[in-house]
Amino acid sequence: GAGVSQSPRYKVTKRGQDVALRCDPISGHVSLYWYRQALGQGPEFLTYFNYEAQQDKSGLPNDRFSAERPEGSISTLTIQRTEQRDSAMYRCASSSDRTISGNTIYFGEGSWLTVV
Amino acid sequence: KNQVEQSPQSLIILEGKNCTLQCNYTVSPFSNLRWYKQDTGRGPVSLTIMTFSENTKSNGRYTATLDADTKQSSLHITASQLSDSASYICVVSPNQAGTALIFGKGTTLSVSS
Repeated sequence: GAGVSQSPRYKVTKRGQDVALRCDPISGHVSLYWYRQALGQGPEFLTYFNYEAQQDKSGLPNDRFSAERPEGSISTLTIQRTEQRDSAMYRCASSSDRTISGNTIYFGEGSWLTVV
Repeated sequence: KNQVEQSPQSLIILEGKNCTLQCNYTVSPFSNLRWYKQDTGRGPVSLTIMTFSENTKSNGRYTATLDADTKQSSLHITASQLSDSASYICVVSPNQAGTALIFGKGTTLSVSS
């Protein structure tokens, strides 16, 4: 696609429910990043893929969070048994180069998750 | 531990004034440093990308500097405009394949008339 596309843009869910957030990166981009941003805060790295391989998941807060990118394109971030503290903007970004050395990183508009 | 620290956390200036935002990092080995502008509710937009060998890079009224020895970068905004009100995020890339970006928490700039 022309840009990084995320869905849903807004999601309100009840505490305890599972949610799945989707990221469709720019076509052909190798690297895909997930991070989240609470209101008024800076971004917090979650996880990172090169192709379909999850390179780094050290930022995932706990085992309720998981991500996959099975075909090296679209990625899904899943949060199980959501809690109110999970409420944040979840952003996806992609880059054409797996070493990310100097290449532009393109960000999606994000998915606003509110857990009530 | 790889970290990026930004200061100040927030800043308020009058329209037309200059300001400088700071970014200190402990990322090693270092590949490049990026400054992003993020308007409220929008995704970050790249302002500058600097590699180890670059000391300064400009993008209009934005000038970024990098001192790789002291691991410090600054973003200078000249003749600020109301539209400069945003969060400015410093992002550092380690020079290590398969290693993720390191984000600073950002500086929130408010420009008032």
